[in-house]
Amino acid sequence: KAGVTQTPRYLIKTRGQQVTLSCSPISGHRSVSWYQQTPGQGLQFLFEYFSETQRNKGNFPGRFSGRQFSNSRSEMNVSTLELGDSALYLCASSLQGQGTYNEQFFGPGTRLTVL
Amino acid sequence: AQSVAQPEDQVNVAEGNPLTVKCTYSVSGNPYLFWYVQYPNRGLQFLLKYITGDNLVKGSYGFEAEFNKSQTSFHLKKPSALVSDSALYFCAVRDRDSSYKLIFGSGTRLLVRP
Repeated sequence: KAGVTQTPRYLIKTRGQQVTLSCSPISGHRSVSWYQQTPGQGLQFLFEYFSETQRNKGNFPGRFSGRQFSNSRSEMNVSTLELGDSALYLCASSLQGQGTYNEQFFGPGTRLTVL
Repeated sequence: AQSVAQPEDQVNVAEGNPLTVKCTYSVSGNPYLFWYVQYPNRGLQFLLKYITGDNLVKGSYGFEAEFNKSQTSFHLKKPSALVSDSALYFCAVRDRDSSYKLIFGSGTRLLVRP
């Protein structure tokens, strides 16, 4: 089975711009979660989608949004980029939702740099 | 509220020696516990998990972890470290009774010297 894929792998944007990141989960996985990883804050949960519905949300401003399509692929959007949004954005998929014991499988991440 | 603590930013060990990476947790209900490893410029890889049952859990690459409910700990161990084990290790917890998000610790960098 192919693993979780994320595109693009690297992205450079300037302040004020917006960006869309894409994630394709493992085939058959219906849950997709997004995380932000920075040296200072570590791994922080952004949100989780299951069957096209957002089921959990972390403590991020409304500039961070996402969606999931019927094929379970997910996109994450960040509007009005700030320097502090520079981070590695990780996507993870699992068979079921966050509330179960299933482990999550992570993609390689998208490295976003905001100048 | 859920939380995970990894008290050591870095653990240094010689190749061939046993290693321990510490993790303590706090949840209001019963926990699901996970260990992940991250190599440079890579995403996280699942190592092992505790759901219920035997307190000693065996995982990938010879790693194991011991669940201790009284000490609310889930330390990662390996009997004999390899240089290739050098990486960033994350402990994570989910409260099984409240179906909330997965909370990660701050990570521990493991350095295995030859």
